[in-house]
Amino acid sequence: QVHLVQSGSELRKPGASVKVSCKASGYTFTSYAVNWVRQAPGQGLEWMGWINTNTGNPTYGQAFTGRFVFSLDTSVSTAYLQISSLKAEDTAVYYCARLYCSGGSCPLDVWGKGTTVTVSS
Amino acid sequence: EIVLTQSPGTLSLSPGERATLSCRASQSLSSSYLAWYQQKPGQAPRLLIYGASSRATGIPDRFSGSGSGTDFTLTVSRLEPEDFAVYYCQQRGSSLTFGGGTKVEIK
Repeated sequence: QVHLVQSGSELRKPGASVKVSCKASGYTFTSYAVNWVRQAPGQGLEWMGWINTNTGNPTYGQAFTGRFVFSLDTSVSTAYLQISSLKAEDTAVYYCARLYCSGGSCPLDVWGKGTTVTVSS
Repeated sequence: EIVLTQSPGTLSLSPGERATLSCRASQSLSSSYLAWYQQKPGQAPRLLIYGASSRATGIPDRFSGSGSGTDFTLTVSRLEPEDFAVYYCQQRGSSLTFGGGTKVEIK
């Protein structure tokens, strides 16, 4: 069975950094890209970008350049999201999701349960 | 960037009724690139429909998707109690974007 298991909730002070993990199981990790999606409290879904799990090449959404870094450790089938210089407005739930491409369609078919990051002094 | 506009923002219906949710794209996109997700409070989104009209694995046939070009629709033929949730459309043509969501609430 395909799963994405994310790391637990994090509490950080403004200016600190955080690293969220997303461990895949049940499929060949390097065959499907991992996407990251943010959801601020009471708000909708916001796509952050994705990482090619075969090459390690990341692509960032317009609002997520500079302080956000996607990385991989393919030896343990895990993707990471690191956010530096945290701000209060980074408080959100962060989801990883698998991009499953087949027959010209590429939906996000499997999602992690989400990691809550709270930024507060 | 393609902007997706969902309407209405909130839909108040009773169990057993039909729900019709709209998703309009700011420019034409291939039907292959349009998906719908359901999200319940405290849960991750769940894929319902991909390629505008194909149901994901395990999704009941009361959920159906249709549309092309710039106008897409998600229909729930008869609402069950577990269907009251927020629904998002998403495109992966130009980059990837989500619509703002439609909340289906119990009337």
